[in-house]
Amino acid sequence: AQKVTQAQTEISVVEKEDVTLDCVYETRDTTYYLFWYKQPPSGELVFLIRRNSFDEQNEISGRYSWNFQKSTSSFNFTITASQVVDSAVYFCALRSPNFGNEKLTFGTGTRLTIIP
Amino acid sequence: NAGVTQTPKFQVLKTGQSMTLQCAQDMNHEYMSWYRQDPGMGLRLIHYSVGAGITDQGEVPNGYNVSRSTTEDFPLRLLSAAPSQTSVYFCASSYSRGAGANVLTFGAGSRLTVL
Repeated sequence: AQKVTQAQTEISVVEKEDVTLDCVYETRDTTYYLFWYKQPPSGELVFLIRRNSFDEQNEISGRYSWNFQKSTSSFNFTITASQVVDSAVYFCALRSPNFGNEKLTFGTGTRLTIIP
Repeated sequence: NAGVTQTPKFQVLKTGQSMTLQCAQDMNHEYMSWYRQDPGMGLRLIHYSVGAGITDQGEVPNGYNVSRSTTEDFPLRLLSAAPSQTSVYFCASSYSRGAGANVLTFGAGSRLTVL
């Protein structure tokens, strides 16, 4: 069984502060993908990043960075110098890529509010 | 390129009524799926399909039917609506192979209220 835990239900930070969103996952698969999606107040779901289980390198994209650690089954997301436009619900997700079992399991999400 | 198109965006039903949420994608994605989003529950998989003619159940399939007669379309049918099915429904699709594999593209969502 697969499980994704986002223990932080809601986070509020003042604009320009850094913030880290935690994601812990459980899977028995040796090969899997991890994802982050953003859901702004408008409601759509926007893909942010995909990571496969063989690639533990951290990734940086502008103000966004991701820390993948297989030893602790975590895939944390950090926003540096937060902006009001970062206010959204963020979902971490896990997927086994085996054909016929292509289910994406989502965490319950973290609502991030950036205070101007 | 329209991406994933869901209709309707909003719907109010009475208990016991049936309806179909439509989902169409124009990206030639093999994989299509339906999720429901409820407060505090995240997104939960209802049904999914890995290709035309193939469907399977997700985490919360009861009360819903799907079919996949074409690559493009994946309708979700509510057989006899119940208040517990009040939710926001998302259709999503992706390639099953290649560089874009497993990256879901979501529709805009359909908000359903069952009275």
